[in-house]
Amino acid sequence: KQEVTQIPAALSVPEGENLVLNCSFTDSAIYNLQWFRQDPGKGLTSLLLIQSSQREQTSGRLNASLDKSSGRSTLYIAASQPGDSATYLCAVLHNAGNMLTFGGGTRLMVKP
Amino acid sequence: GAGVSQTPSNKVTEKGKYVELRCDPISGHTALYWYRQSLGQGPEFLIYFQGTGAADDSGLPNDRFFAVRPEGSVSTLKIQRTERGDSAVYLCASSEGGGIGNTIYFGEGSWLTVV
Repeated sequence: KQEVTQIPAALSVPEGENLVLNCSFTDSAIYNLQWFRQDPGKGLTSLLLIQSSQREQTSGRLNASLDKSSGRSTLYIAASQPGDSATYLCAVLHNAGNMLTFGGGTRLMVKP
Repeated sequence: GAGVSQTPSNKVTEKGKYVELRCDPISGHTALYWYRQSLGQGPEFLIYFQGTGAADDSGLPNDRFFAVRPEGSVSTLKIQRTERGDSAVYLCASSEGGGIGNTIYFGEGSWLTVV
């Protein structure tokens, strides 16, 4: 059974710092990996999708990497801003099915 | 509509009652998913529809949970004899095809509280 773990569970940083969120998964037979953002009381917004054949994806100040063989992904946020405060979730899509398996999320607070 | 729409946004119900949660996917999206998210945790898969049929219902926790999508668009998640442990956010998502290669778009969820 696929298990997804995110470390740290919570992170508080001052504005302007570069930071890295970590995601690991136990079964490397994935089709893709997505990073989502969730604001309090809201649904999920897709940030980046990395196909299993890709190594990284970039969008603005966000960069996500994928090392499928080692079961790891990182989300790098450059020059963090208070508006980046949210919960960040990673999820993997299995080769065999259409369900996403999510990690527990990292709650990020960026202080002004 | 522009995004995935879920109603009600909040529902408080008494233990033992029946509840229906509705999802309107993005127009034209054939794939529809239901997930459940407990406080402080990531979402957990419940069921996946491709068109009108449930292609994978392996995540439904027990037979009190049922979902339908009769016309291949709107879906309803039905929970019978609700229990306090059913309290969670129920998230609906849709994509153009299956999840492979397609971005999955989530609604804002239906917050269910069973008292």
